[in-house]
Amino acid sequence: GAVVSQHPSWVICKSGTSVKIECRSLDFQATTMFWYRQFPKQSLMLMATSNEGSKATYEQGVEKDKFLINHASLTLSTLTVTSAHPEDSSFYICSAREGVSHEQYFGPGTRLTVT
Amino acid sequence: AQSVSQHNHHVILSEAASLELGCNYSYGGTVNLFWYVQYPGQHLQLLLKYFSGDPLVKGIKGFEAEFIKSKFSFNLRKPSVQWSDTAEYFCAVSLDSNYQLIWGAGTKLIIKP
Repeated sequence: GAVVSQHPSWVICKSGTSVKIECRSLDFQATTMFWYRQFPKQSLMLMATSNEGSKATYEQGVEKDKFLINHASLTLSTLTVTSAHPEDSSFYICSAREGVSHEQYFGPGTRLTVT
Repeated sequence: AQSVSQHNHHVILSEAASLELGCNYSYGGTVNLFWYVQYPGQHLQLLLKYFSGDPLVKGIKGFEAEFIKSKFSFNLRKPSVQWSDTAEYFCAVSLDSNYQLIWGAGTKLIIKP
C-alpha cells in the first residue's frame, strides 16, 4: 500500500526557534499533500492543502507566515513552524493523495514540544 | 457548511459484543465516505471507503459500513469485537468537487477483555 513518512517523529525546541517537519510519499507521487494538527482527544484540524509546485492554501485562522509550507516535488512537502511558541506544541500529521483518488494516506505524525 | 457528526464520543464494549458506530454528514451532493482508525500510539489507517456502487462496503479486520443515502449516514459495524479493536475511529467525507476531508470528532472505542 501507499506509504507516507514523516521526519522527525518527535522534536523538542526552544521558544523562538524554527522547526522543519518533512513529509514524504515513499512509493507514489503525491498530487496533493495536506497538513493537519491534532490536539489531545480531538479530531484532526486541517491546516493547509498544498499541490506540487503551487502555493499552499491555508485554512481560516492558520497563519501562513508562521506555518510555512513548501511542496517542491511530488514526493516531498515540508512544514516549517517559525518562531515557535509553547502554544504551537501539538501533533502534526501530513497526508497525501495521488492522481484523482480521494483517498488520503497518512504519515505517522510529528510530536512537537516547544519549551 | 458541510459537517460530519459521530454520535458517540466514547463506547465501551465487552469482547464478542457487536459494534455499530454512527456517522452522519450534511451535504446534498455526491460524497466519498471513509472510516479511519487510530490505534493507540499509531498513525491513522484506512478501515474502509465508499466511492460508488454497492452501498455495503467491507473493510479490513472484519469491519463493514453501509451507506444509506436517504439518511445521509455511513455507520460502521462489526459483528464481534476483539480487545485489539480498542482505538479511536474517525468518519470522514470528501466532496466530489473537493479533495479535502471533512472529519467527524471521532469515537473512542474501548473493548474490555
